[in-house]
Amino acid sequence: NAGVTQTPKFQVLKTGQSMTLQCAQDMNHNSMYWYRQDPGMGLRLIYYSASEGTTDKGEVPNGYNVSRLNKREFSLRLESAAPSQTSVYFCASVPLHRSSGNTIYFGEGSWLTVV
Amino acid sequence: KNQVEQSPQSLIILEGKNCTLQCNYTVSPFSNLRWYKQDTGRGPVSLTIMTFSENTKSNGRYTATLDADTKQSSLHITASQLSDSASYICVVSGGNNDMRFGAGTRLTVKP
Repeated sequence: NAGVTQTPKFQVLKTGQSMTLQCAQDMNHNSMYWYRQDPGMGLRLIYYSASEGTTDKGEVPNGYNVSRLNKREFSLRLESAAPSQTSVYFCASVPLHRSSGNTIYFGEGSWLTVV
Repeated sequence: KNQVEQSPQSLIILEGKNCTLQCNYTVSPFSNLRWYKQDTGRGPVSLTIMTFSENTKSNGRYTATLDADTKQSSLHITASQLSDSASYICVVSGGNNDMRFGAGTRLTVKP
């Protein structure tokens, strides 16, 4: 049981390049999330997908786009990377969005550096 | 200002000692509070979750307490082990269950 799997683990981009972070979960969860984690700050929500076919902006969506490809997969795209997007990105899933008592399952993280 | 504040930012203790980490929040209304452990280079892993009516919950050597009146929670680690070295993150959910993350406490356990 892999849980939440994200790729790549590490990536270095030049300013202006684009890339997609992939995330897949095998727990049949309805809801998936993308967070970024920066030093000295809590995880901040970029985008989320409450259910298959829906996506919504989180706290810090600027510069990102997402696609909920199917129930298992939720990708995060940087169209034109900027140094401010250097961060660690975490994908997460829960059985049901905004359901009290959910355990959040996180992926192992993707370390992105934009130079 | 972050709605979830954790203290201390970092802590160093000797193996075998106990420690207590603090989480203060202003999220209102309150739905639940979670503690997560994040090892270096890994994703966060759930330790406990508490709702409004619960004031203590244990998971092995980890015991979380919640005072919903003062909006405070603590995570107590008993008989620390080297493997407890990690960041501990407090996550508070509000009335619509939107989650707010603290910045974490970095715990180092030394032999």
